Amino acid sequence: QVQLVESGGGLVKPGGSLRLSCAASGFTFSDYYMSWIRQAPGKGLEWVSYISSSGSTIYYADSVKGRFTISRDNAKNSLYLQMNSLRAEDTAVYYCARAPLPGYELDYWGQGTLVTVSS
Amino acid sequence: QAVLTQPSSLSASPGASASLTCTLRSGINVGTYRIYWYQQKPGSPPQYLLRYKSDSDKQQGSGVPSRFSGSKDASANAGILLISGLQSEDEADYYCMIWHSSAYVFGTGTKVTVL
Repeated sequence: QVQLVESGGGLVKPGGSLRLSCAASGFTFSDYYMSWIRQAPGKGLEWVSYISSSGSTIYYADSVKGRFTISRDNAKNSLYLQMNSLRAEDTAVYYCARAPLPGYELDYWGQGTLVTVSS
Repeated sequence: QAVLTQPSSLSASPGASASLTCTLRSGINVGTYRIYWYQQKPGSPPQYLLRYKSDSDKQQGSGVPSRFSGSKDASANAGILLISGLQSEDEADYYCMIWHSSAYVFGTGTKVTVL
């Protein structure tokens, strides 16, 4: 069965860094387009970043551009999000999700990992 | 103005039908977009419900009951999620989503209460 398992969340001070990971199993990871989406406490969903199946195409939300870096390792069936210069407003549950084609449905999501940015 | 606007809440009785709207910002034509719908219950990740662009381009999510269906109202520039025969387990937050300008954009979300 399809599984996406996020890890790496935690408490970090403003200006600090964190690296999230998403371990994929149950499907051919290298065939899928991956995204990170976040949800601040009590708020709605916000897309963060997208990476194509090969890793050659990457997009970011304006709110994280220049601070976050998405990457993937198809040999390890893993997706990553390097988050630098963290701000209080980055506090959220971060989900990874897959899409079968560019811009298509995010059909499976992980359970999420909580990132808290606070002094 | 948000790209996708949804009513903040909706209440309906068990067995009734609920129509959730997702209005696209002026200048963004609903006819050119696939609208995706998600259901999220407290403490859980969003679950994909369905995709709707037209009657010839639509998809039901895996295991999603047929009482969830999608459509569009071109005159209102909106996507619609119809939930027929509301059940208590349908109580949740619902989000629409599109792919716009190389980004996924989510709607503001509708909280559905089953009275």
